[in-house]
Amino acid sequence: NAGVTQTPKFQVLKTGQSMTLQCAQDMNHNSMYWYRQDPGMGLRLIYYSASEGTTDKGEVPNGYNVSRLNKREFSLRLESAAPSQTSVYFCASSGRSLAKNIQYFGAGTRLSVL
Amino acid sequence: DAKTTQPPSMDCAEGRAANLPCNHSTISGNEYVYWYRQIHSQGPQYIIHGLKNNETNEMASLIITEDRKSSTLILPHATLRDTAVYYCIVRPGGTGNQFYFGTGTSLTVIP
Repeated sequence: NAGVTQTPKFQVLKTGQSMTLQCAQDMNHNSMYWYRQDPGMGLRLIYYSASEGTTDKGEVPNGYNVSRLNKREFSLRLESAAPSQTSVYFCASSGRSLAKNIQYFGAGTRLSVL
Repeated sequence: DAKTTQPPSMDCAEGRAANLPCNHSTISGNEYVYWYRQIHSQGPQYIIHGLKNNETNEMASLIITEDRKSSTLILPHATLRDTAVYYCIVRPGGTGNQFYFGTGTSLTVIP
């Protein structure tokens, strides 16, 4: 049982390049999330998907787009990368239980934009 | 907004109990208290959560004050592997609701 899998683990981009961060979960969870974490700071929510077919903006959505491809997969796209997007990106998922709603996190993607 | 206040750092001797406080004075009646931790630069890991009763699991205990305005996470016998950043989060139950991570408490367990 892999849980939440993120690819790639590391990426270096030049300013203006585009890329897609991939996330997949095998826990049959309805909700999925993308966070970013800058050095010395807590996680900030970029986008989330409460269920398949829906997406909503989080705290810091500018410069990003997302796609909930199916129940398992939730991708994050940077159309034109900027140095300010250098960060560690975490994907998470959570299940059906209304009371528990525990989020399970992937190992992260470390992105540098030069 | 994080809605919680935690001390930025704490130390604890190995084998002793680590008591991590969290202030959430504006908590609403339908909001749960969650604790996560992040070891080095790994993804955050769920520890425990509660609404108003004290909770215990294999990792930790959560003590919530009667007025629910503060809570304490207790690691009963801290080990070096418990060195991490600990986040206290309050949010309503239900899927899709946002988690707001503050900067947490950096706990260092000292040999």
